Amino acid sequence: DAKTTQPPSMDCAEGRAANLPCNHSTISGNEYVYWYRQIHSQGPQYIIHGLKNNETNEMASLIITEDRKSSTLILPHATLRDTAVYYCIVRFATANIYNQGGKLIFGQGTELSVKP
Amino acid sequence: ETGVTQTPRHLVMGMTNKKSLKCEQHLGHNAMYWYKQSAKKPLELMFVYNFKEQTENNSVPSRFSPECPNSSHLFLHLHTLQPEDSALYLCASSPRLGVGEKLFFGSGTQLSVL
Repeated sequence: DAKTTQPPSMDCAEGRAANLPCNHSTISGNEYVYWYRQIHSQGPQYIIHGLKNNETNEMASLIITEDRKSSTLILPHATLRDTAVYYCIVRFATANIYNQGGKLIFGQGTELSVKP
Repeated sequence: ETGVTQTPRHLVMGMTNKKSLKCEQHLGHNAMYWYKQSAKKPLELMFVYNFKEQTENNSVPSRFSPECPNSSHLFLHLHTLQPEDSALYLCASSPRLGVGEKLFFGSGTQLSVL
């Protein structure tokens, strides 16, 4: 799976949009971009994923650049409960014996602090 | 509430003890996973089970012994652990094993080995 690079930490004011960047310059054509988050003392929670097009769900929006080398997770109106570590993960769309198919490989993530 | 329940939430054990971690999911999933999260380190995948069969062991020391009696339950048996094994142990499940599947995590067991 391609490696990702995320800033180690970010701050965001409550009620404002939180924009979390992720670089994945070596991503291949059949790798998805996944985002999970981990609130302190809990297990990771799935947020959103995408391949090429921008995606939106009830939690967040995912913006993927046209060359797919980077993406941004957007929390439109951050609350204090959004304080967590956010993980950007790239993952193959199909599994074979040559890739890590099926595995979710976590990096260090971005520690987002939402402040009042 | 993710539908994946882990017990106990906290565990303190000596190096000569034997203990077990339990994971239970009522989501009808067929794949289950053990992850380890040490302080200041990324999550590390330990074991993968698919339809009760172990499909992956990520070079985990034999002092960690997993057991999957059915698709809803997963255990991690611990014996003669070392202090460096202190970590948060997370269980996860997914509908099937494979890419594209979302993983649902439990809240973890915080293990301290003295």
